[in-house]
Amino acid sequence: GAVVSQHPSRVICKSGTSVKIECRSLDFQATTMFWYRQFPKQSLMLMATSNEGSKATYEQGVEKDKFLINHASLTLSTLTVTSAHPEDSSFYICSASLGGSYNEQFFGPGTRLTVL
Amino acid sequence: AQKITQTQPGMFVQEKEAVTLDCTYDTSDQSYGLFWYKQPSSGEMIFLIYQGSYDEQNATEGRYSLNFQKARKSANLVISASQLGDSAMYFCAIPGGNTPLVFGKGTRLSVIA
Repeated sequence: GAVVSQHPSRVICKSGTSVKIECRSLDFQATTMFWYRQFPKQSLMLMATSNEGSKATYEQGVEKDKFLINHASLTLSTLTVTSAHPEDSSFYICSASLGGSYNEQFFGPGTRLTVL
Repeated sequence: AQKITQTQPGMFVQEKEAVTLDCTYDTSDQSYGLFWYKQPSSGEMIFLIYQGSYDEQNATEGRYSLNFQKARKSANLVISASQLGDSAMYFCAIPGGNTPLVFGKGTRLSVIA
């Protein structure tokens, strides 16, 4: 199957700093990538849809100025959490679509962000 | 809007036994697909099985099978011959309009030796 990587897998930062998370499709080109957030013991919630070469589409309630998404190439999307606060601590997971029917997605291993 | 309901927050099953994880869905689309993912404690999302709404036969993948009842809008996951490594969270999901996947709240499966 298609492989998606994420880096870093775990990050701890101080409140007020910015953190960049990378999502890469290793063996396929992904015109569309998705960013999800998962709080402990909860389900995945879509944050935004990242489209190569265009602006990301954010879900309602997600601050686009706080969660900056850049999809600079067909294999890389980045999520930058700006001025992170403790409430941003969460598990962030990306996925990439091969396209085709029913939006089949392949997930990265996730990034656990802890903001002190 | 698309919606997934998983009514079992937690399930226990004896090793080597079969277990059914429930999933009901709501969609206005005529054509759609249903997905099941496994999430172990490491956090990664592992694709298990997929069922298309027009597939006549229930999907099967190894020990995983999907009991798809379109009229009831249910897509229950059946895991046969449970193994200790099956202990994880299981999510049912459906493509949701302009959103790529809408997940249920998940079911935590614990396999007991």
